[in-house]
Amino acid sequence: EVQLLESGGGLVQPGGSLRLSCAASGFTFSSYTMIWARQAPGKGLEWVSSISGSGDRTYYADSVKGRFTISRDNSENTLHLQMNSLRVEDTAVYYCAKGLFPWGQGTLVTVSS
Amino acid sequence: DIQMTQSPSSLSASVGDRVTITCRASQGITNSLAWFQQKPGKAPRSLIYAASSLQSGVPSNFSGSGSGTDFTLTISSLQPEDFATYYCQQYNSFPWTFGQGTKVEIQ
Repeated sequence: EVQLLESGGGLVQPGGSLRLSCAASGFTFSSYTMIWARQAPGKGLEWVSSISGSGDRTYYADSVKGRFTISRDNSENTLHLQMNSLRVEDTAVYYCAKGLFPWGQGTLVTVSS
Repeated sequence: DIQMTQSPSSLSASVGDRVTITCRASQGITNSLAWFQQKPGKAPRSLIYAASSLQSGVPSNFSGSGSGTDFTLTISSLQPEDFATYYCQQYNSFPWTFGQGTKVEIQ
């Protein structure tokens, strides 16, 4: 059974940084593109970033380009999202997903002073 | 970027009703379209991928169709557990984009 467990969310001030992690199990992690998506409170879904199985190709939404960095550790079956220069509008539940599906349960990031 | 437009944004229906949600892409995406169901406080659940392929474990009263720019999610007979918000998503090209969602409420 595929399991994805996000961690690292919390409260941070504007301009601050957080590093999210997603521990994966139940599949051959290195064979799959992984993604981060988010959902602001009461809003719809937004794709944030994707990374290829080998980690050599990364893609970002314009809203986070230059501030967020996606990475993966295939030896540890872990996906990361380094978030710098955080803004109030980055407040959301952040989900990791194995390609299109399934999605993890999410971790809440709150950016507020 | 490819814009995904869902309609309606919300609907009210009764158990047993047939429900249809449409999703239109701003440019052709072949069949690179997925549908998700989301209930309050829960992660999105994948229903359909490749426009019409049913995800494992999804009841057969869900179906998807379409290709190019116009797509449809149909629930043939609405069940109590189907009241939720539904999203379409294109994965033909980056940035992947979602529709704004359709909330299915109890009439």
